[in-house]
Amino acid sequence: AQSVTQLDSQVPVFEEAPVELRCNYSSSVSVYLFWYVQYPNQGLQLLLKYLSGSTLVKGINGFEAEFNKSQTSFHLRKPSVHISDTAEYFCAVGHGSGNTGKLIFGQGTTLQVKP
Amino acid sequence: DVKVTQSSRYLVKRTGEKVFLECVQDMDHENMFWYRQDPGLGLRLIYFSYDVKMKEKGDIPEGYSVSREKKERFSLILESASTNQTSMYLCASSRSPIYEQYFGPGTRLTVT
Repeated sequence: AQSVTQLDSQVPVFEEAPVELRCNYSSSVSVYLFWYVQYPNQGLQLLLKYLSGSTLVKGINGFEAEFNKSQTSFHLRKPSVHISDTAEYFCAVGHGSGNTGKLIFGQGTTLQVKP
Repeated sequence: DVKVTQSSRYLVKRTGEKVFLECVQDMDHENMFWYRQDPGLGLRLIYFSYDVKMKEKGDIPEGYSVSREKKERFSLILESASTNQTSMYLCASSRSPIYEQYFGPGTRLTVT
């Protein structure tokens, strides 16, 4: 079965420091990759997506992610975080085709930005 | 701007009540989804629909049913609410099951 693993459940970091949230997936075929952010008591908002092409993907709020096919990873990075980035982040993988396809979510990583 | 709306942000129901959660999208998407979100368990798919009147079970369909009579509307029904259905419920829509999904703001349901 396909799976998505977010390697850290919580990541504490100081404001203006860089951050990396790690995501690995299991798949031997082409996939689509996504990162979502969820602020408290809100729905999920798409940060960025990889469908094809350049392996470095830029998203909203200064985030970027790199698709690494050989390591089956899609880690999320930001060079300098703000207090407002405190939220839960979900990695997701779209796998399959047609109506049998699925979007599989990781368990989430809570990013805690400290002043 | 794309939009998915859910009928309630917060809902409190009693055990045994029938509960309806409504979701509406304005993007003309074929696919709609219902998830529940619990701490430490991430998002779990309850049901999804890839067309009007079509539905498929997700990973945790027990205790739930759904209805999709119109393309833009997808309802989740708890036939007889139980305390273990206290959770955050998220609705989403997409143009394909493997592409990005757009989420509503969520309904936090408490069953007492």
